[in-house]
Amino acid sequence: DAGITQSPRYKITETGRQVTLMCHQTWSHSYMFWYRQDLGHGLRLIYYSAAADITDKGEVPDGYVVSRSKTENFPLTLESATRSQTSVYFCASSDLRPGGELFFGEGSRLTVL
Amino acid sequence: AQSVTQPDIHITVSEGASLELRCNYSYGATPYLFWYVQSPGQGLQLLLKYFSGDTLVQGIKGFEAEFKRSQSSFNLRKPSVHWSDAAEYFCAVGPITGGGNKLTFGTGTQLKVEL
Repeated sequence: DAGITQSPRYKITETGRQVTLMCHQTWSHSYMFWYRQDLGHGLRLIYYSAAADITDKGEVPDGYVVSRSKTENFPLTLESATRSQTSVYFCASSDLRPGGELFFGEGSRLTVL
Repeated sequence: AQSVTQPDIHITVSEGASLELRCNYSYGATPYLFWYVQSPGQGLQLLLKYFSGDTLVQGIKGFEAEFKRSQSSFNLRKPSVHWSDAAEYFCAVGPITGGGNKLTFGTGTQLKVEL
C-alpha cells in the first residue's frame, strides 16, 4: 500500500543507547519532517528535509541526527538517548506546493529508561 | 517567531451539540492555516486549510473553520457533534512562501463526546 510508514511502532531503550527510527514514504514527496509529540507541547519540529541530501534543523534538534540519502527514506537517530527524549515521534511528508498537506505516519512511541 | 495558541486543553460536549474549538496565531504575515485531527494511536489527518478567499472554509467530516484576520483567529466549528468526533484537534500555521511547508502546531484540544 502506498503511504508513509514508521518503524518500530514501539521501542524501549536505556539511557545512552543509540536508537534509529525509520520513516519510509511511497509518494516521492520532496519534503519530509520529524516531529515529536509531548503532553502540553503539541507537536514540535525536530528536523526536516527538502530533498535527498538536504536537511535542516527545526525547533528542537538537539540530541538528534537525520540523513536522507534516498527521497523515500528519512531516518531519525538518537545517538545517545536521554530520558527527556521519551516521546511519540511522527514522520510526515508533503509535496512541493506551498501549503501542501502534510501526511503523517502512525507514530513511533519511544521510552527511554 | 510564529506561534499558535489553543486555549482549551479539554472540551466535553454532548452528542448532537454544537462545537467550537478556538485557535489564535501569531505570524509575520498571513500564513496558511490548518486544522488536523488525531484519533487515539493514530497519526494526524487534515480536516481543512485556509490561505485566501472566502474566510469560511469547509472541511471533511462536516467541520468548518472561520478565519478572522482582525482577531488572528481560526476557530473550528461543527453544528452537531457525533461520538466518533472524540479525538485531539490541532491548529497549525505554515508559510505561504519559502519555509518548506514547515508547520507550527498548537498544543491541541482534546475533545470528549458524551452520549
